[in-house]
Amino acid sequence: QQQVKQSPQSLIVQKGGISIINCAYENTAFDYFPWYQQFPGKGPALLIAIRPDVSEKKEGRFTISFNKSAKQFSLHIMDSQPGDSATYFCAASSTGTGGFKTIFGAGTRLFVKA
Amino acid sequence: SAVISQKPSRDICQRGTSLTIQCQVDSQVTMMFWYRQQPGQSLTLIATANQGSEATYESGFVIDKFPISRPNLTFSTLTVSNMSPEDSSIYLCSVQSGANTIYFGEGSWLTVV
Repeated sequence: QQQVKQSPQSLIVQKGGISIINCAYENTAFDYFPWYQQFPGKGPALLIAIRPDVSEKKEGRFTISFNKSAKQFSLHIMDSQPGDSATYFCAASSTGTGGFKTIFGAGTRLFVKA
Repeated sequence: SAVISQKPSRDICQRGTSLTIQCQVDSQVTMMFWYRQQPGQSLTLIATANQGSEATYESGFVIDKFPISRPNLTFSTLTVSNMSPEDSSIYLCSVQSGANTIYFGEGSWLTVV
């Protein structure tokens, strides 16, 4: 119930294309869904996040789509650039009796070909 | 967002030894966490560092192996004890800032030989 399933494991996209990464969760107690971007040798950096009362959030070329009934959410990177090549992690956070926790997906390695 | 500094950034350690990682935040934060990221893997929560009390450990992690201190609202340490090559990982300090968002330091890259 605490898992967040992420796919695909790796993704190759042409420059200018759309990158799509999908995540699914089981625990309905999750109430915040962030995405992190990690470059080699660096810590994960918050990219964009959404709450379950919103179906879509857009920030620049990055969009989260959220389907509460299906318990799925996805990251879309429009006009993908070589500089977007990184590992992306979806996550789900909750504040419950066990305290605040954030669970991460397995990660997607994105490579954008020039 | 908070600025999080970790020391050391990298280290190569002999098996059987222990290493303490420091995490300093530029502002007071309520929640601090320690994560482990094994090579090419996702992030796994080790424990929540509680100020003034014992850390709360996740399943599979124990205090004897990963003792944690949190003397105040801006500082925490994680010790990796009696290291083996399986402990070679990135250890990441993170803090909760705002309602539900956590931010990470740059990590401490440990190689055990």
